[in-house]
Amino acid sequence: GIQVEQSPPDLILQEGANSTLRCNFSDSVNNLQWFHQNPWGQLINLFYIPSGTKQNGRLSATTVATERYSLLYISSSQTTDSGVYFCAVRTPGSNYKLTFGKGTLLTVNP
Amino acid sequence: DAGVIQSPRHEVTEMGQEVTLRCKPISGHNSLFWYRQTMMRGLELLIYFNNNVPIDDSGMPEDRFSAKMPNASFSTLKIQPSEPRDSAVYFCASRRGDTQYFGPGTRLTVL
Repeated sequence: GIQVEQSPPDLILQEGANSTLRCNFSDSVNNLQWFHQNPWGQLINLFYIPSGTKQNGRLSATTVATERYSLLYISSSQTTDSGVYFCAVRTPGSNYKLTFGKGTLLTVNP
Repeated sequence: DAGVIQSPRHEVTEMGQEVTLRCKPISGHNSLFWYRQTMMRGLELLIYFNNNVPIDDSGMPEDRFSAKMPNASFSTLKIQPSEPRDSAVYFCASRRGDTQYFGPGTRLTVL
């Protein structure tokens, strides 16, 4: 099956810093989503981005499908950005199954 | 929109007891998913329903696990009998189009 690798596994930032999270995948995908799991466990959709670039406030994401990677940018980080960021992908062979990476644990200190 | 609703949010039970987890998907979503999250295995897909019909239950770990979706607005995941290794957070998600939306999860502890 497809492999999804996220890096770095852990990241500690001071409030106000910027960061880039990376998701590499081993096969072609037709669906890629970024999720944020907050410290209370809720999984929140950030982006649906199988290709191209999207921005939502301080967050933006870019997927280069031909090179099999996606990047999530967090600017001017806040303590509320803390949590685990997951990348999930779906291959053209399936119309429903998302394969999740292991996540990046982000800690933003005040 | 209330989002995906799950109940209970926390469940503590003793080994051997039956556990039933409940999910109400977002109205209008025709796909429903049950996931399990553990530290060791991450997020695992247990079962997928489309239009209330189970399409893929290959992720259901054992016969002790069963899931139903009697109508478009309700699904259950049942574990009988429960075991300590079933302790995890169980998520329900629903989808319309390409984006899945997750519920808040049920944290299950089996003693």
